[in-house]
Amino acid sequence: SQTIHQWPATLVQPVGSPLSLECTVEGTSNPNLYWYRQAAGRGLQLLFYSVGIGQISSEVPQNLSASRPQDRQFILSSKKLLLSDSGFYLCAWSNFLSGNTIYFGEGSWLTVV
Amino acid sequence: AQSVTQLGSHVSVSEGALVLLRCNYSSSVPPYLFWYVQYPNQGLQLLLKYTTGATLVKGINGFEAEFKKSETSFHLTKPSAHMSDAAEYFCAVSRGNFGNEKLTFGTGTRLTIIP
Repeated sequence: SQTIHQWPATLVQPVGSPLSLECTVEGTSNPNLYWYRQAAGRGLQLLFYSVGIGQISSEVPQNLSASRPQDRQFILSSKKLLLSDSGFYLCAWSNFLSGNTIYFGEGSWLTVV
Repeated sequence: AQSVTQLGSHVSVSEGALVLLRCNYSSSVPPYLFWYVQYPNQGLQLLLKYTTGATLVKGINGFEAEFKKSETSFHLTKPSAHMSDAAEYFCAVSRGNFGNEKLTFGTGTRLTIIP
């Protein structure tokens, strides 16, 4: 079966510090990968998605970037965090085997102080 | 372009009562529709989905939803609420089999169960 792992689960970072959130998928190949953000009291916003290694599409302009160094690894980064980057970040995957269904990781809480 | 509207950001029902969470969508192509549930501090879990075929779909935990094309709706129901149903629920739409699996989410409905 397919599983998705995301870490760290909780992170408190000062303004101006760098960020790295990692996500890996197991049990499937060639997945589409996604990063979503859920700000307090708001819905989910798609930040990035990737259909293959090195292929990243950004949905909204922001202080964040994403990379996909391996088929089943997706990394969310920032060089200098802003207060507004605080939120709940969710990694997700899908592929033809999932029948157009997107499956989510457990999420990472980021608090920028 | 796609969009999802969830009517009611907060819904409260008594334990044992009917749960009805409303979702309306707009899509320029035949949609795939989803309901996800999110428990506090956790990721999203798929409750059910509609792709093609039978318009009444059953999901986990006793939930079901009916796709009504004429009303552009996909409301979520459960006959009898349980305390464990307290969570946030998200309706989402994708472009179906047009090769785009990105989801557009509604803003969510927080369900509270009254003992």
